[in-house]
Amino acid sequence: SAVISQKPSRDICQRGTSLTIQCQVDSQVTMMFWYRQQPGQSLTLIATANQGSEATYESGFVIDKFPISRPNLTFSTLTVSNMSPEDSSIYLCSVVVGRYEQYFGPGTRLTVT
Amino acid sequence: AQSVTQLGSHVSVSEGALVLLRCNYSSSVPPYLFWYVQYPNQGLQLLLKYTSAATLVKGINGFEAEFKKSETSFHLTKPSAHMSDAAEYFCAVGSLQGAQKLVFGQGTRLTINP
Repeated sequence: SAVISQKPSRDICQRGTSLTIQCQVDSQVTMMFWYRQQPGQSLTLIATANQGSEATYESGFVIDKFPISRPNLTFSTLTVSNMSPEDSSIYLCSVVVGRYEQYFGPGTRLTVT
Repeated sequence: AQSVTQLGSHVSVSEGALVLLRCNYSSSVPPYLFWYVQYPNQGLQLLLKYTSAATLVKGINGFEAEFKKSETSFHLTKPSAHMSDAAEYFCAVGSLQGAQKLVFGQGTRLTINP
């Protein structure tokens, strides 16, 4: 298994600003993922964070809006840039352990006013 | 492309009653299937997974799910509901690489009536 922590747990931000979310894992993992969960909705994959290379973004998500860093095998950050109220969501990071188990962090609840 | 459909956005059962949460999938390759639970203000917890071994999969907290290829279904069941089971449940399908890049269903909110 894996234990994942995220900071901050929640934040209220003004439109036009940026927020960086941190994700820390208790073991080294190859792949980390970032998901968005909009209010009352399911999870949507934003990107795959690869250590030592650029993140891979899913359709509808771009690096300028959601820059990601992955400086080592236990840590990643997701920045939500130039925020608007539509960015109000829960942002979750996750890791895959072995081949068949994906573990999620507790999420960062973001409200943009 | 893979997809998941969860029938019923909200299911309500009495404490002690059978829980049945429905999930149908679409996949062009043999699927890896997962059920997750999300308690209020928490992340997702893996309940169980199907990885092409036994078709009846047992998970945590007394839940189990049966993979039925002919029906493209992976319904989640629990014989007797407990108040602590109240949560949001998500079915997800994985990629050829297993649990990477999960595609989630819309979720089913389970309410337990005393």
